Amino acid sequence: AVQLTQSPSSLSASVGDRVTIACRASQGISSALAWYQQNPGKPPKLLISDASSLESGVPSRFSGSGSGTDFTLTISSLQPEDFATYYCQQFDTYPLTFGGGTKVEI
Amino acid sequence: QVQLVESGGGVVQPGRSLRLSCAASGFTFTSYGVHWIRQAPGKGLEWVAVISFDGFNKHYADSVQGRFTISRDNSKSTLYLQMNSLRAEDTAIYYCARDQEFISTTSTSFDSWGQGTLVTVSS
Repeated sequence: AVQLTQSPSSLSASVGDRVTIACRASQGISSALAWYQQNPGKPPKLLISDASSLESGVPSRFSGSGSGTDFTLTISSLQPEDFATYYCQQFDTYPLTFGGGTKVEI
Repeated sequence: QVQLVESGGGVVQPGRSLRLSCAASGFTFTSYGVHWIRQAPGKGLEWVAVISFDGFNKHYADSVQGRFTISRDNSKSTLYLQMNSLRAEDTAIYYCARDQEFISTTSTSFDSWGQGTLVTVSS
């Protein structure tokens, strides 16, 4: 199975900060990667698919980049509603897998 | 709007069975693959299974292969997960989610999620 390693597992930031979350795949997955945001007690929300395609309605401060094994989610200017846990997910190979998550805290 | 509503969760003893359902509305159910994804309390996300739009292609996580069966009834716009030989480590919130890809036998990302149903396996 493709293993996804997210770093850091948690981070502390302030409103207005630029935040970068990394996701590394154990083997090449082309651009078959998605990013999700999850708030406590809620289901995840799709932010980005195909490594860099922003979903409709997602603020433009979110961006994704990368291909192959190394991927990045960037929040250009952190807003209060962005404090949440973020997950990457690969869909190149079955079984589909998620990264361990990155908790963004104040 | 797309709506997915899970049901069937509860407390069950180890070794017993449970069937989850996911009622879909607001989109053409017969045109999308659908997934089950679970999240143990306080833990990360784990993909469980997928069934293609036509029901012919199914894939499972290794952790549930041979114990869980995914199925769908397109006439009822409903997804199912039959869970047998349940273990304590199956305790989780189970979400159903729609695949983003339209009429495809491959899987991509999950663009709509239900609110989840909690399954607790305990004696």
